This record gives sequence, structure tokens and C-alpha cells, in this order.
Amino acid sequence: AQSVTQLDSHVSVSEGTPVLLRCNYSSSYSPSLFWYVQHPNKGLQLLLKYTSAATLVKGINGFEAEFKKSETSFHLTKPSAHMSDAAEYFCVVSGASGTYKYIFGTGTRLKVLA
Amino acid sequence: DSGVTQTPKHLITATGQRVTLRCSPRSGDLSVYWYQQSLDQGLQFLIQYYNGEERAKGNILERFSAQQFPDLHSELNLSSLELGDSALYFCASSPVGVGGELFFGEGSRLTVL
Repeated sequence: AQSVTQLDSHVSVSEGTPVLLRCNYSSSYSPSLFWYVQHPNKGLQLLLKYTSAATLVKGINGFEAEFKKSETSFHLTKPSAHMSDAAEYFCVVSGASGTYKYIFGTGTRLKVLA
Repeated sequence: DSGVTQTPKHLITATGQRVTLRCSPRSGDLSVYWYQQSLDQGLQFLIQYYNGEERAKGNILERFSAQQFPDLHSELNLSSLELGDSALYFCASSPVGVGGELFFGEGSRLTVL
């Protein structure tokens, strides 16, 4: 079975400081992993995805994530937060053989302080 | 713009009524997924269709039904509406069945009074 856990429901950072949003996953198969961002009253937008190529994945808007199989983690980072990064972020796991489900984490709300 | 179109964007209706939400996937995408997002339940997977066939079912109530038509657009039907059905309903499409990226529409906000 697959599952995903976002370890923080809320994260607050100051503008210009690093962002770390944590995600752990569980999968019996080689997973595909995604990070999505949702701004208020908007649909979800893909930030980045891991599909068994390079373990360090670069995404849009300066975000990146590192796939660590030994730690079953896929944490999202950004060196310097911007006010426009304030949003909800979802970690997603998919791709177990024969299934078509995407398992969403419960989300992390990022607040960026001026 | 993800290329996924959902209508209507907003819908206000009364308890006991029935509504239909429509989704047009990205051109060429065969998979359509429906999700419900509410404050207390978070993002819940409802159902998935692949090329017209139901492929996976999640936490979809019996009062809800969906279908995907030959032109690949999909409709989600919600009947005997209750106050608790008020939520944002998202449609997403994907070009492949497993592991591909999901492209989300802007959602349909349903308010049941």
C-alpha cells in the first residue's frame, strides 16, 4: 500500500529565508512523487516531479526536492522565500504497479512573513 | 492555464437538489480524475475514468455519480444534496494511467444552502 505524510500542517518563514516542507512516503514499488502548490481559490499546479531519474529534482519558481530512498523522504526546499510563495503545498505519491491512484498528503500551509 | 476546463466555476443551490459539474480534459489526455476539497476533509479522491471506463473509485458517495463521454469530457452528478456537500470540486487529467503528471482545472465551488 502507498501512503504519504506531510510532517507539518503549517510552516512560517520570513521573506528571504530558506523554506523546508517535509514529506515522507511509503510505497511497495518505485514511486512517482510530486509536489503541487495551491494558491487561494485556485487549482493545483505542479511544482516538480520525481520519476526515478535524478534524485535531486528542480522545479518551477526556484523550488527543488531530493528523493531519499533510505529515508523514504521527498522534502521540498527553496533557498529564499518570497511573499508570493505563501500557499498550500501538497506532496503526492503515485505509480504503484497496476494502480492508477494518486495519494495526496494533507497539505502544508506556508506563511511568508515580511 | 493547465488546459483543463471546468464549468460552472460557482454554483449555489439548495438541499435536496441535483447538480452536474462538467470537465473538459487537456487535448489528448485519456484519464480524468475527480476530487473534492473541503476544509474539514482536505483533498479527497472521488473517482477516475480512463478512455470512457471507470478505473478507480475513492470516497465517492452513492448519491454521486460520474461518467466520461466518447469525446473524453466528464461529468460529475451530485444528487440529494446536503449542506456537507459544499466544497470545491476539482477535475484533473493525465495523459497516462500510471505515474504521469496530473493537470488540474480551476475547480467548481459548490455551495449548498
